[in-house]
Amino acid sequence: DVKVTQSSRYLVKRTGEKVFLECVQDMDHENMFWYRQDPGLGLRLIYFSYDVKMKEKGDIPEGYSVSREKKERFSLILESASTNQTSMYLCASSSQGLRGGGFPQISYEQYFGPGTRLTVT
Amino acid sequence: AQKVTQAQTEISVVEKEDVTLDCVYETRDTTYYLFWYKQPPSGELVFLIRRNSFDEQNEISGRYSWNFQKSTSSFNFTITASQVVDSAVYFCALSLPHRDDKIIFGKGTRLHILP
Repeated sequence: DVKVTQSSRYLVKRTGEKVFLECVQDMDHENMFWYRQDPGLGLRLIYFSYDVKMKEKGDIPEGYSVSREKKERFSLILESASTNQTSMYLCASSSQGLRGGGFPQISYEQYFGPGTRLTVT
Repeated sequence: AQKVTQAQTEISVVEKEDVTLDCVYETRDTTYYLFWYKQPPSGELVFLIRRNSFDEQNEISGRYSWNFQKSTSSFNFTITASQVVDSAVYFCALSLPHRDDKIIFGKGTRLHILP
């Protein structure tokens, strides 16, 4: 059974604190993703990673950084938490699709963790 | 530009009614994948289905069915004989494999099934 776990379901931090959100997957997936979800805005991609030590900016990377030292673990870091970072944070992983000259070209579904509801006061 | 539109923000139906959730996508790519996810009140997104652009066959899985129509760029989701446990937020999504492994999500439709 596929599994993505996140370190906390609920977290309360103070403005200016450094915050670490951890995500672990046990499916040997190459890709890992961090999203935040806010009412009316849907899911927005913060960062993603195609491989160990690789990272790519998503749509809203400002104020965040990530770390991927091992294939199964992807960490999201809020260097100095601010109140506008209060949100639900979702981690996901997926297999890497075929690309380039090969056919068929495949996209795989992402599997999500349970989410971390972060409140910054 | 690539985009997924779920025009229905919120729907309420009485239990046992059928309900269809609309999804319209935009892309100029010929190879793409479409997805539906369910997010129950517990918060975890659950993958429901994946279809590729070359397979327009409709799919049925129990009370769930999906209608993919390239002519209208739509990938609609129907729940037959709805149940209270179907209450959730449902997301339609699009990916373009020859570009990257990102998924573009719609804003979601919140479905309330009333007992």
